Amino acid sequence: SQQGEEDPQALSIQEGENATMNCSYKTSINNLQWYRQNSGRGLVHLILIRSNEREKHSGRLRVTLDTSKKSSSLLITASRAADTASYFCATANDYKLSFGAGTTVTVRA
Amino acid sequence: KAGVTQTPRYLIKTRGQQVTLSCSPISGHRSVSWYQQTPGQGLQFLFEYFSETQRNKGNFPGRFSGRQFSNSRSEMNVSTLELGDSALYLCASSLTDYSNQPQHFGDGTRLSIL
Repeated sequence: SQQGEEDPQALSIQEGENATMNCSYKTSINNLQWYRQNSGRGLVHLILIRSNEREKHSGRLRVTLDTSKKSSSLLITASRAADTASYFCATANDYKLSFGAGTTVTVRA
Repeated sequence: KAGVTQTPRYLIKTRGQQVTLSCSPISGHRSVSWYQQTPGQGLQFLFEYFSETQRNKGNFPGRFSGRQFSNSRSEMNVSTLELGDSALYLCASSLTDYSNQPQHFGDGTRLSIL
């Protein structure tokens, strides 16, 4: 079963703009992870944020975690065509990892 | 460092047959997980192996099985194939703990059932 739910399901932005997607979940978690998947490829790990952390950065990526609201957001700044992909959040709880349905991001040139 | 390697990349089978998929994890990684990805169900966890033992299992029928060898390589077997088994099967490896460490995915095996 999928615990994390991403919002929106799809996002289309212009190159150079920022993209924000959200992940909501239902039960307590140990950590939350974000992955990217390009068409026809496997998933690539982006960021892992633990339940006692509130924000993490990696290059143009910024992830926030609000455990009181059971939600996380992924911000991609200054988007590029190469950022076109599906983005998944995964929640870890009791040694189980559950993936959401993903957000499809299209970056227009 | 070589990434996670899955073979074969594409496979076509007919209903009732069985299939074996292979996964070679990143060197030094001892945890190997398998996922099924379909447009309708998304990414579904199949099972995780660590040190040749199945440590976690998802909600799939017994037709889906796997094993891990002493060199951490893993295989997944699906018997009595059904049309609904058509999917992208992804393997991922992590150092020791698939839920608390980044997972490294292979590019998957695309299985089509006719």
